[in-house]
Amino acid sequence: EPEVTQTPSHQVTQMGQEVILRCVPISNHLYFYWYRQILGQKVEFLVSFYNNEISEKSEIFDDQFSVERPDGSNFTLKIRSTKLEDSAMYFCASSWTGDSGNTIYFGEGSWLTVV
Amino acid sequence: SQQGEEDPQALSIQEGENATMNCSYKTSINNLQWYRQNSGRGLVHLILIRSNEREKHSGRLRVTLDTSKKSSSLLITASRAADTASYFCATRRVPQNRDDKIIFGKGTRLHILP
Repeated sequence: EPEVTQTPSHQVTQMGQEVILRCVPISNHLYFYWYRQILGQKVEFLVSFYNNEISEKSEIFDDQFSVERPDGSNFTLKIRSTKLEDSAMYFCASSWTGDSGNTIYFGEGSWLTVV
Repeated sequence: SQQGEEDPQALSIQEGENATMNCSYKTSINNLQWYRQNSGRGLVHLILIRSNEREKHSGRLRVTLDTSKKSSSLLITASRAADTASYFCATRRVPQNRDDKIIFGKGTRLHILP
């Protein structure tokens, strides 16, 4: 079964450093998402992306965050200057369309620890 | 606004028993999806139910949706130790544009006792 893959699975970084989390969505999907989950808390929406541009973003997705689809397969999340509170599991997701019948598939997540 | 609030927050049952988890939401939805998450792992999609559907089955899973009460339930029959996980409902609101996000609840932690 096709799956969303994410790398790295775990990254430890110094506060203030830049981090890039990578994702390969399911190949024929058109809609891409990033979510995050702080340890023990709910899964929170960060951003959605379609047709090479951001469709929607949450309050969490401030100027420190950016997303990019540099080629036909990768979808990246960049955090420019990490803060301690950015420590979380980051999930990439994709779906074929945005309509009611389509499932959003998630990757295994990238666990980011900021020290 | 909050969407997808599950209850109970935690549930422990004996292996072989049925587990029922509930989800309530506030705004009109397009569909509702249930996901499972094993500790520290990714979100595994279980089942999607559209707003015009009332019940769906998939293996040992049964999902109901009552749009008048803005609630859904997930029933796992004949539970197994491997069902131990957190279960989340996620709602897709009636979209303002075609690519609306899904919003997760806080989840139910299910523990199956041997």
